[in-house]
Amino acid sequence: KQEVTQIPAALSVPEGENLVLNCSFTDSAIYNLQWFRQDPGKGLTSLLLIQSSQREQTSGRLNASLDKSSGRSTLYIAASQPGDSATYLCAVSRAGTASKLTFGTGTRLQVTL
Amino acid sequence: GAVVSQHPSWVICKSGTSVKIECRSLDFQATTMFWYRQFPKQSLMLMATSNEGSKATYEQGVEKDKFLINHASLTLSTLTVTSAHPEDSSFYICSASSGGYNEQFFGPGTRLTVL
Repeated sequence: KQEVTQIPAALSVPEGENLVLNCSFTDSAIYNLQWFRQDPGKGLTSLLLIQSSQREQTSGRLNASLDKSSGRSTLYIAASQPGDSATYLCAVSRAGTASKLTFGTGTRLQVTL
Repeated sequence: GAVVSQHPSWVICKSGTSVKIECRSLDFQATTMFWYRQFPKQSLMLMATSNEGSKATYEQGVEKDKFLINHASLTLSTLTVTSAHPEDSSFYICSASSGGYNEQFFGPGTRLTVL
């Protein structure tokens, strides 16, 4: 059974800092990995999707990397802003059943002024 | 990206009543829809997968008679929580996909509180 873990569980940084969020998964037979953002009491916003054959994806100040063989992904946020404060979730889909997502435990990020 | 809506956004009901939550794909045909549950400060847990015109497939531990799922059209799926109890209070999120290996798009969620 796939298990997805995110470290740290919570993080508080001053505005402007670069930061890294970590995601690890136990079964490397994945189809893709996604990073999502969730604001309190809201649904999910997809940030980046990395196919299993890719090593990284970039969107603006966000960069996500994937090391499938070691079961790890990182989300790098450059020049953090207070508006980045949210919970960040990673999720993996299994090869062969690509439609089913297994979510990580999430990292609650707070960017302070 | 594609848009998925949920209705209602929040609902409060008495214990023993049934509550229906709708999930709609607004600008694409959703062959497959998913229902998730999220308890406070926890991650999303998949409850069931439904394909249009077929019976839903429930995850282990999810009672199919308690959580009724209907996916009668390519743009609408409903989740009915029957005989709701306080322990059913949670945040319910749906997602929709045009099928196969295509990306899931998530709705804004429905907050259910059972008194």
